[in-house]
Amino acid sequence: KNQVEQSPQSLIILEGKNCTLQCNYTVSPFSNLRWYKQDTGRGPVSLTIMTFSENTKSNGRYTATLDADTKQSSLHITASQLSDSASYICVVSPMIKAAGNKLTFGGGTRVLVKP
Amino acid sequence: EAGVAQSPRYKIIEKRQSVAFWCNPISGHATLYWYQQILGQGPKLLIQFQNNGVVDDSQLPKDRFSAERLKGVDSTLKIQPAKLEDSAVYLCASSGTGTNYEQYFGPGTRLTVT
Repeated sequence: KNQVEQSPQSLIILEGKNCTLQCNYTVSPFSNLRWYKQDTGRGPVSLTIMTFSENTKSNGRYTATLDADTKQSSLHITASQLSDSASYICVVSPMIKAAGNKLTFGGGTRVLVKP
Repeated sequence: EAGVAQSPRYKIIEKRQSVAFWCNPISGHATLYWYQQILGQGPKLLIQFQNNGVVDDSQLPKDRFSAERLKGVDSTLKIQPAKLEDSAVYLCASSGTGTNYEQYFGPGTRLTVT
């Protein structure tokens, strides 16, 4: 069964500090891995997308890494800001030919940035 | 480019009542998805349409949930009758036919069943 596990479930950090979120998945073979940011009361918005051949992808202060051998990904937030308070969801897409475009979502990590 | 539109944004109903949600995808997107997101969890796919045909509805509770996408554009999701455990955010997403099949999400409808 395809699964995506995220840790921690939640974390609190002080403004200006860095943090790293983890994602472990069992989806195989997979097409790509995405990190989404979901603000309270809004739909998820894509931050990064990586194919199985990519190791890292950055989007401003967000940097995602991928280790396809260990089936792990991380999202690093640098110099956190209050606006980074949100849920961050790891999403894995299987190979398109195998299972259409059905995504497997992690449960998310809720980040709270305090001043 | 306009995003995915959903309405209403919030809905409160009593159990056993019925409710309907509406979604207008990004223009030109052939694929439309409905997700259920319970508080503190990731979204769960309910149904996926390709144009006006159903691709996957394996996790749709068909005894009470129904969805349609007439003319392959707008879509409605209906719950009848609602149960307390249906309280969740219902997200609509759409995707085109790009190489990475990026899904774009709407703001969601927050349903509370009392």
